[in-house]
Amino acid sequence: DQQVKQNSPSLSVQEGRISILNCDYTNSMFDYFLWYKKYPAEGPTFLISISSIKDKNEDGRFTVFLNKSAKHLSLHIVPSQPGDSAVYFCAASVEGGSEKLVFGKGTKLTVNP
Amino acid sequence: DAGITQSPRYKITETGRQVTLMCHQTWSHSYMFWYRQDLGHGLRLIYYSAAADITDKGEVPDGYVVSRSKTENFPLTLESATRSQTSVYFCASSEGLASGGIQYFGAGTRLSVL
Repeated sequence: DQQVKQNSPSLSVQEGRISILNCDYTNSMFDYFLWYKKYPAEGPTFLISISSIKDKNEDGRFTVFLNKSAKHLSLHIVPSQPGDSAVYFCAASVEGGSEKLVFGKGTKLTVNP
Repeated sequence: DAGITQSPRYKITETGRQVTLMCHQTWSHSYMFWYRQDLGHGLRLIYYSAAADITDKGEVPDGYVVSRSKTENFPLTLESATRSQTSVYFCASSEGLASGGIQYFGAGTRLSVL
């Protein structure tokens, strides 16, 4: 049973436009959410996170929105840049739950110049 | 080098052989993790460790063994490699809640089992 779902395997956007990556979860015990970015032949790198006590967190061009009632979060990238082309993973954890992260399958973002 | 390093970066082995993937971190993070990444599955947790000499199974532990005699090292051993273990393996470390639960990943080891 997949607890963290990224239903779009890929997304293509034009440079300068907004990229919206979506993530759904089923486990209501999740209370901390992270987005990771992964380039080919590299390890995932942390991008941005959000605690369940918030509904929005912003860091430069990246904003994560959390809708707890819908068990849905999204990552907005504005404006998108070609260097943002990567695979984005959504991950979730339970505070005090041995620090384990549960990852989605990832969404490959392509930003076209 | 500071950070988290994995070795080797690439490995080809044969079915039935024993293979050990190495992971070393210089931050003295308490937590360490092993994941495998496969097409259509994302990142799946194999084993994790909360401290030296404390390890526990993740989502897909079968066929793997880990040890953690020192805080900085967390080797992953495939005791008898199978073709289904062909994958990209990532090691990660974390301070836990002290760092907001953020895990820091190595560059990965691409393993092919023939």
